[in-house]
Amino acid sequence: NAGVTQTPKFQVLKTGQSMTLQCAQDMNHNSMYWYRQDPGMGLRLIYYSASEGTTDKGEVPNGYNVSRLNKREFSLRLESAAPSQTSVYFCASSVGGILETQYFGPGTRLLVL
Amino acid sequence: AQSVTQLGSHVSVSEGALVLLRCNYSSSVPPYLFWYVQYPNQGLQLLLKYTSAATLVKGINGFEAEFKKSETSFHLTKPSAHMSDAAEYFCAVNRGNTGFQKLVFGTGTRLLVSP
Repeated sequence: NAGVTQTPKFQVLKTGQSMTLQCAQDMNHNSMYWYRQDPGMGLRLIYYSASEGTTDKGEVPNGYNVSRLNKREFSLRLESAAPSQTSVYFCASSVGGILETQYFGPGTRLLVL
Repeated sequence: AQSVTQLGSHVSVSEGALVLLRCNYSSSVPPYLFWYVQYPNQGLQLLLKYTSAATLVKGINGFEAEFKKSETSFHLTKPSAHMSDAAEYFCAVNRGNTGFQKLVFGTGTRLLVSP
């Protein structure tokens, strides 16, 4: 099993450009999450999908959109990138439920110039 | 609102010494607490979690944490540090009580282990 995979690993964008970060899991998990990690701030939840067909905002959703394409895939889109979106982005998945373990992907490092 | 505070952005220990990473929580409901570890250039992985079944929780790689309600703490310990323990450690608390997990992470503590 590959677990949670993310593409690309690294991306450089210019201000105003758009891009989509891809995430897929092969563990048949119901719930998926997108986080951003910034120095000194820990991880912050951007969006999540409790189950296939549903998505909801997290702590820091502004400037992002998501799509739960199917049970396996959950993408994050930046429509018009800003330097403040320079960060490391992590996708995670879990079976669902309040006590479950979240499994994280390796991350996408994004630099917006 | 639920939150966690991790005291000390960096902790340095010698190999073989006790590891103590501090986490204090704030929660208006009985908390579910987690410790995750992040090795360099990797995603996070679960070390252990408190689910109210027992106040002393044992995790992977010899780590354990004790839930102390009176001190609102969930500190992570390991009796003897190994070089391979060098990583960043995050404490997290579940936000809300809707039955769905939404974690609030602390700012992290980087553990440095010297020979």
